[in-house]
Amino acid sequence: ETGVTQTPRHLVMGMTNKKSLKCEQHLGHNAMYWYKQSAKKPLELMFVYSLEERVENNSVPSRFSPECPNSSHLFLHLHTLQPEDSALYLCASSQDLGNEQFFGPGTRLTVL
Amino acid sequence: TQLLEQSPQFLSIQEGENLTVYCNSSSVFSSLQWYRQEPGEGPVLLVTVVTGGEVKKLKRLTFQFGDARKDSSLHITAAQPGDTGLYLCAGDPNDYKLSFGAGTTVTVRA
Repeated sequence: ETGVTQTPRHLVMGMTNKKSLKCEQHLGHNAMYWYKQSAKKPLELMFVYSLEERVENNSVPSRFSPECPNSSHLFLHLHTLQPEDSALYLCASSQDLGNEQFFGPGTRLTVL
Repeated sequence: TQLLEQSPQFLSIQEGENLTVYCNSSSVFSSLQWYRQEPGEGPVLLVTVVTGGEVKKLKRLTFQFGDARKDSSLHITAAQPGDTGLYLCAGDPNDYKLSFGAGTTVTVRA
């Protein structure tokens, strides 16, 4: 595997479900990011981690909970989501904060 | 109000034609990046421009960074259907947080 991978690629969940999105980077990068991409809106930065420490929480509702157990893995835990949370969730990594970011293919999330 | 304004929002052209998309801001950026995103995929980095007035070429794609480092353009020569996608510009005005434009959706018809 190379680059940034995300699983699952597609996820459909009910509002009462709990699920997790996974991101893994094979680039030896130190920073990882979660973005939300909704239709006709710019990419929205959600969370930033550098060396496994969270450095940014961009006013994201608590129903989204990130976890970064090591510099290669990033999770986004989801619970009691709303239909408006349906979007493409993108993970990215960069060598360090402020460097070029490389994106994964995203998880297409649908909340029913 | 978005930090980066991209225009046009949509662009549909015939194969072989040229096109230019723009990325403008009132803020100064230390660098600007261009990405292309295809449906169902994540954005793929095309280029980073860092010096005011810089011009970079990537095959048929020409990227320019404005002298004042507030704007950038992407010009595609002799567009091909494979150039179809969402073109995003992104910049970091003062720290590590990339700000993205809303993108230009380019469709190249065969």
